[in-house]
Amino acid sequence: DSGVTQTPKHLITATGQRVTLRCSPRSGDLSVYWYQQSLDQGLQFLIQYYNGEERAKGNILERFSAQQFPDLHSELNLSSLELGDSALYFCASSERQLETQYFGPGTRLLVL
Amino acid sequence: DQQVKQNSPSLSVQEGRISILNCDYTNSMFDYFLWYKKYPAEGPTFLISISSIKDKNEDGRFTVFLNKSAKHLSLHIVPSQPGDSAVYFCAASYGGATNKLIFGTGTLLAVQP
Repeated sequence: DSGVTQTPKHLITATGQRVTLRCSPRSGDLSVYWYQQSLDQGLQFLIQYYNGEERAKGNILERFSAQQFPDLHSELNLSSLELGDSALYFCASSERQLETQYFGPGTRLLVL
Repeated sequence: DQQVKQNSPSLSVQEGRISILNCDYTNSMFDYFLWYKKYPAEGPTFLISISSIKDKNEDGRFTVFLNKSAKHLSLHIVPSQPGDSAVYFCAASYGGATNKLIFGTGTLLAVQP
């Protein structure tokens, strides 16, 4: 158990809908990262927050957004969902920006 | 553009023998490398890392070797155990203001009893 929690574990929704994925980092970790793992793309970095501020963006679609709250938990919002958004979404956290990242169990999203 | 490559999608090894997983990278700006192990339906688990100022790092049965001139790293597992069967991902980061990880595509290791 890495100490990073993600909810929900599974999510099934329809095209065009909006969902919110939640991540609670390890106690004391200030940095949160989101990654997407799809069948054809592997693990891809989406976005990083550090102590509430956005620090880096990867190949994150404009339909996707994220935020980190004062209690350091983070949410990833996915809107206007398409079939191709079906994937595993992982959250990771680290104590500071340049430390080893520890991953949560992931949220499996299925868009029908 | 795949900056981190794991060219072997799978590897099968007998229990007790050495497992060697390989990873190549193209970006010379990477300065920190990590190996993660992943079981189905779980998140990646951190195994071992190495900074670009070193060429070897060891932790128990796991050793990572870095050859900067060849832009190559490898993970050695000795002795291999059936519980090591999983997908292994190599990852790299630039450091700086962020350490977003660039992952390889993974190698499925099967350790046969």
